[in-house]
Amino acid sequence: AQSVTQLDSHVSVSEGTPVLLRCNYSSSYSPSLFWYVQHPNKGLQLLLKYTSAATLVKGINGFEAEFKKSETSFHLTKPSAHMSDAAEYFCVVRPTSGTYKYIFGTGTRLKVLA
Amino acid sequence: GAVVSQHPSWVICKSGTSVKIECRSLDFQATTMFWYRQFPKQSLMLMATSNEGSKATYEQGVEKDKFLINHASLTLSTLTVTSAHPEDSSFYICSAINRGNTEAFFGQGTRLTVV
Repeated sequence: AQSVTQLDSHVSVSEGTPVLLRCNYSSSYSPSLFWYVQHPNKGLQLLLKYTSAATLVKGINGFEAEFKKSETSFHLTKPSAHMSDAAEYFCVVRPTSGTYKYIFGTGTRLKVLA
Repeated sequence: GAVVSQHPSWVICKSGTSVKIECRSLDFQATTMFWYRQFPKQSLMLMATSNEGSKATYEQGVEKDKFLINHASLTLSTLTVTSAHPEDSSFYICSAINRGNTEAFFGQGTRLTVV
């Protein structure tokens, strides 16, 4: 069965310090992986996606993620947090090509301290 | 990226009434649309998959007679919450894809409050 696990429900960082949001996946096939951000009472915005091309994926707003097949991980990072990064982040897996059913992680709420 | 628009963005209705939420793909033809539900501080749960011109496929545990989905055109899918009750209060989000896409595009969501 396909699944995605976000290891931290809450992460707090100080402004200007690095961000690490962890995600592990389980998939029988080569998955597509995504990170989405959701600000309060808003829809989802795509940060970045991995679709079997380069394993290091760069996204918007300075975020990037590295696909590590051996570790079944797709952690999201940013070198320096900004106050506007405070939001809910979802790691998402699309298990196989040909299906667009997305499996969402439980989310990580990022808090950025001044 | 492609744009998906939901309407309304928020709605308050009385218990027992029905509410319709629209999901439109503005600049592409959406062969498939998905409807999700999100409870406070929780993740998104897929409710149903909607293909243009055919009946929606509901996930286990979702009442198809309560959550009516219509995908009558390639740019519009609607979700109607029938005989709404306070426990139906939630954030509903749609997404849409077309052929050749490697990702789905999400609407901005609809906050439904049933009083």
